[in-house]
Amino acid sequence: AQTVTQSQPEMSVQEAETVTLSCTYDTSESDYYLFWYKQPPSRQMILVIRQEAYKQQNATENRFSVNFQKAAKSFSLKISDSQLGDAAMYFCAYRSRNSGNTPLVFGKGTRLSVIA
Amino acid sequence: EADIYQTPRYLVIGTGKKITLECSQTMGHDKMYWYQQDPGMELHLIHYSYGVNSTEKGDLSSESTVSRIRTEHFPLTLESARPSHTSQYLCASGDWAEQFFGPGTRLTVL
Repeated sequence: AQTVTQSQPEMSVQEAETVTLSCTYDTSESDYYLFWYKQPPSRQMILVIRQEAYKQQNATENRFSVNFQKAAKSFSLKISDSQLGDAAMYFCAYRSRNSGNTPLVFGKGTRLSVIA
Repeated sequence: EADIYQTPRYLVIGTGKKITLECSQTMGHDKMYWYQQDPGMELHLIHYSYGVNSTEKGDLSSESTVSRIRTEHFPLTLESARPSHTSQYLCASGDWAEQFFGPGTRLTVL
């Protein structure tokens, strides 16, 4: 079974600085999606960024980018120019593209605090 | 903003009551999910569905049940609420490439 590990339960960053959240996963498959989701306090969970495993190029979305290392099974999220609104729980997730109908596998989350 | 709705948003109820948490989506997604999440904690998948008349239990043992009679509607029912059911319940729907979450129902059982 696939697993997703987020080894940092909590992180903090100064406003305008850069922070990297770690995620590793375990799978024997070669074709899959990886996701980072953001859950602000008392607000709806939203997708931050998605990476398709067959794409070598790292995904970017404005201030958010990933470092996807397929061989190492690592998928870290970098937030540049951190803003107060980035404070949230961040969840890393995995989905197979080959195993039929399988739900997302989520990590346990990293709580990010942004210090003004 | 994703078109997925949950009602009620907050519910306080006594032990032993039967409750149904509603979830609807207008995106035509076949895949729908229910998660249980204590505030600030990890997500636990309790039920999912890949289409009408299809339901599966998730990783977390749950005393709740679900039904999927219409594509857009995926209600979750607790036949007899207990204090241990106090939590936040998140509904989601999606396809292979993305999953959208509802705003959640915060349930308190006294």
